[in-house]
Amino acid sequence: GEDVEQSLFLSVREGDSSVINCTYTDSSSTYLYWYKQEPGAGLQLLTYIFSNMDMKQDQRLTVLLNKKDKHLSLRIADTQTGDSAIYFCAEIYGNNRLAFGKGIQVVVIP
Amino acid sequence: EADIYQTPRYLVIGTGKKITLECSQTMGHDKMYWYQQDPGMELHLIHYSYGVNSTEKGDLSSESTVSRIRTEHFPLTLESARPSHTSQYLCASSEGQAGAFFGQGTRLTVV
Repeated sequence: GEDVEQSLFLSVREGDSSVINCTYTDSSSTYLYWYKQEPGAGLQLLTYIFSNMDMKQDQRLTVLLNKKDKHLSLRIADTQTGDSAIYFCAEIYGNNRLAFGKGIQVVVIP
Repeated sequence: EADIYQTPRYLVIGTGKKITLECSQTMGHDKMYWYQQDPGMELHLIHYSYGVNSTEKGDLSSESTVSRIRTEHFPLTLESARPSHTSQYLCASSEGQAGAFFGQGTRLTVV
């Protein structure tokens, strides 16, 4: 599969903004995704961005895409305790297969 | 809300037993996937299917096998479970490029 890189841990205070970063490898990826995984659960699709876009905003979530550097980020505004989870970025490769980053554990401190 | 279901949620089983993990989706998606998730979080694709009677091995070699006789059903079977098979198994389905929807996962422990 493709190689998608993420840092492993982030702590943030409740009410602050948090930014999660990801580097992907396949410049031909058409869609890039952010998933959230709460303890003991499957992955929940949060949002996705088409590769011809630079930014997408969805309520408290903002996705930024830098195609030149193959860099994807997710900003969560006004972070809440319910945002504590593992976050994965993912890209499509092959025929609709998803390559996931290693995931980042986000801990929100009240 | 995604309609994809995995059973059982938790399974503890002895070495050498045959097990089948069930995955069903009611969305009519052609593509379905099985991922194995390490305790350290990383996801590995072990099987995928593009439709009925289509199955392919994923990026991580696995001793498990899958079948796709019906669109909505994609079971995973281990003929002889071993402690090294202890992991979380996640099933997903997708249509187009709007992203994959995941089940809640099966946490398998082989003792």
